[in-house]
Amino acid sequence: ETGVTQTPRHLVMGMTNKKSLKCEQHLGHNAMYWYKQSAKKPLELMFVYSLEERVENNSVPSRFSPECPNSSHLFLHLHTLQPEDSALYLCASSQLSQGLLFGSGTRLTVV
Amino acid sequence: RKEVEQDPGPFNVPEGATVAFNCTYSNSASQSFFWYRQDCRKEPKLLMSVYSSGNEDGRFTAQLNRASQYISLLIRDSKLSDSATYLCVVDSGGSYIPTFGRGTSLIVHP
Repeated sequence: ETGVTQTPRHLVMGMTNKKSLKCEQHLGHNAMYWYKQSAKKPLELMFVYSLEERVENNSVPSRFSPECPNSSHLFLHLHTLQPEDSALYLCASSQLSQGLLFGSGTRLTVV
Repeated sequence: RKEVEQDPGPFNVPEGATVAFNCTYSNSASQSFFWYRQDCRKEPKLLMSVYSSGNEDGRFTAQLNRASQYISLLIRDSKLSDSATYLCVVDSGGSYIPTFGRGTSLIVHP
């Protein structure tokens, strides 16, 4: 167990579905992140929540919507996704400017 | 110039060999540097932080060269279990937004 827990581990969804990815950590970290990893591409930062402030990558489509209700929980809400959104979605947490601790990821397939 | 650049490899080396990876970064204001290891279909895991004075952890040595804006990772006495992708990570200049390189693939063979 890495200390950062992501659910579900695998998700298959249709393009008209709405689903949510969940991440939680009880390490006392003050920053949480969503990354996307597609085949043969570098990790792409999607969103960062730090000290209740949100930073986002402007290239992320609006069909991805993050939510951070508290410092221990992070969600990624998905709706009307496209097949090219199929990827590994990784959550991570850290103390600011320290190394990231990743969850095991959610492998998403959009059909 | 990309923010963080790495040679994708693969580096194919025999057991026992010494191998070194470099990573260049574009933001001269960057303050935090890390090496991560990622196994196939797994999440990245922090291997080591990189300090200005350099640091060593067993067979692994990391160095930072601020003047030339690169960091390096040296692996001595390679083991089969070292086969993985090694990711260079640099912050975006005093902030908490880390940028990952594409990774360098290492294959250690018997």
